[in-house]
Amino acid sequence: QQQVKQSPQSLIVQKGGISIINCAYENTAFDYFPWYQQFPGKGPALLIAIRPDVSEKKEGRFTISFNKSAKQFSLHIMDSQPGDSATYFCAAKRSNYQLIWGAGTKLIIKP
Amino acid sequence: KAGVTQTPRYLIKTRGQQVTLSCSPISGHRSVSWYQQTPGQGLQFLFEYFSETQRNKGNFPGRFSGRQFSNSRSEMNVSTLELGDSALYLCASSLNSGMNTEAFFGQGTRLTVV
Repeated sequence: QQQVKQSPQSLIVQKGGISIINCAYENTAFDYFPWYQQFPGKGPALLIAIRPDVSEKKEGRFTISFNKSAKQFSLHIMDSQPGDSATYFCAAKRSNYQLIWGAGTKLIIKP
Repeated sequence: KAGVTQTPRYLIKTRGQQVTLSCSPISGHRSVSWYQQTPGQGLQFLFEYFSETQRNKGNFPGRFSGRQFSNSRSEMNVSTLELGDSALYLCASSLNSGMNTEAFFGQGTRLTVV
């Protein structure tokens, strides 16, 4: 119940294309769903986050889509750029508990 | 303001030794969490400290321990090191523990056990 399942494990997208990473969870008590971006040699950095009372959140080229009934959420990167090449982690959390992390998706954007 | 600082950045230890890693959170942040990250793996939660008290603990053996000081700085200790402990150890700080606030990560300490 504590797991967050992330797919795909790796993803190759052409420059300018749309990158889509999916996550699914079981625990309906989760109330915070962040996405983190990690470059080699660096710690993860928060990219965008959503709460379950909202179905979509957009920040620049990054959009989270949230489907509460399906217990799924996804990250969409529009107009993907080579600089977006990184590992992306989804996570879920409930207050007073730790973040539960997906396994990560290695995204490569081909120029 | 300064970010999360982890020291040292790199460490090589011999199997059986013990090691202490340090994390200085962002000023004003009272929650510090520790994670282990191994190649191809996600982040494995070790423990979280808030106001010098351990709030949450992951599924790691007792060889892994931590503490937090009154200035919110935190240390993590691993005793009797094993080869499988080789990993990137990440520290994250956040404003508080109860509410869902952003966690800011340090660059990590790369531990190699030989």
